[in-house]
Amino acid sequence: DQQVKQNSPSLSVQEGRISILNCDYTNSMFDYFLWYKKYPAEGPTFLISISSIKDKNEDGRFTVFLNKSAKHLSLHIVPSQPGDSAVYFCAASADNAGNMLTFGGGTRLMVKP
Amino acid sequence: SQTIHQWPATLVQPVGSPLSLECTVEGTSNPNLYWYRQAAGRGLQLLFYSIGIDQISSEVPQNLSASRPQDRQFILSSKKLLLSDSGFYLCAWSGGVREKLFFGSGTQLSVL
Repeated sequence: DQQVKQNSPSLSVQEGRISILNCDYTNSMFDYFLWYKKYPAEGPTFLISISSIKDKNEDGRFTVFLNKSAKHLSLHIVPSQPGDSAVYFCAASADNAGNMLTFGGGTRLMVKP
Repeated sequence: SQTIHQWPATLVQPVGSPLSLECTVEGTSNPNLYWYRQAAGRGLQLLFYSIGIDQISSEVPQNLSASRPQDRQFILSSKKLLLSDSGFYLCAWSGGVREKLFFGSGTQLSVL
């Protein structure tokens, strides 16, 4: 049973436009959410996180939104750049699960020049 | 600053051969250590995690094992590889509970 789902395996966006990556979760105990970015043949790197006490966290071009009632979070990238082309993973953890992150299946973002 | 080293970067092994992947962390002590696998077209699956020397927890039943002989060393092993063991293996560390993970550069394993 996948507790964290990224239903869009890929997304294509024009350079300069907004990229919106979505993530849904089923475990209501999740209270900390993260986004990771991964280039081919490299390990994922941390991008941005959000705690369940917030509904928005912003860092430069990256903003994560959390809708707890819908168990949904999204990552907005504005403006999108070709260098943003990568696979994006969302991840979640629950206070009663230590530091065990549960990852989604990833979304491949392609930003076209 | 903390760094994580993982090797080799790529590995091609025949079915039935043994496996040993090594991961070391520098610049921190008593890290939590993790082995993840990314199968082709799929997400990141947690295989093992360790909160201390010789303290290993397995998340999924499998053909692999893990060991932590030293505080900052984490080893992934198999006695006999299967075709289904192919994938991209990632080592990661964190400073403690609820802290974000830092990943190594990964090992692409192809079992033929």
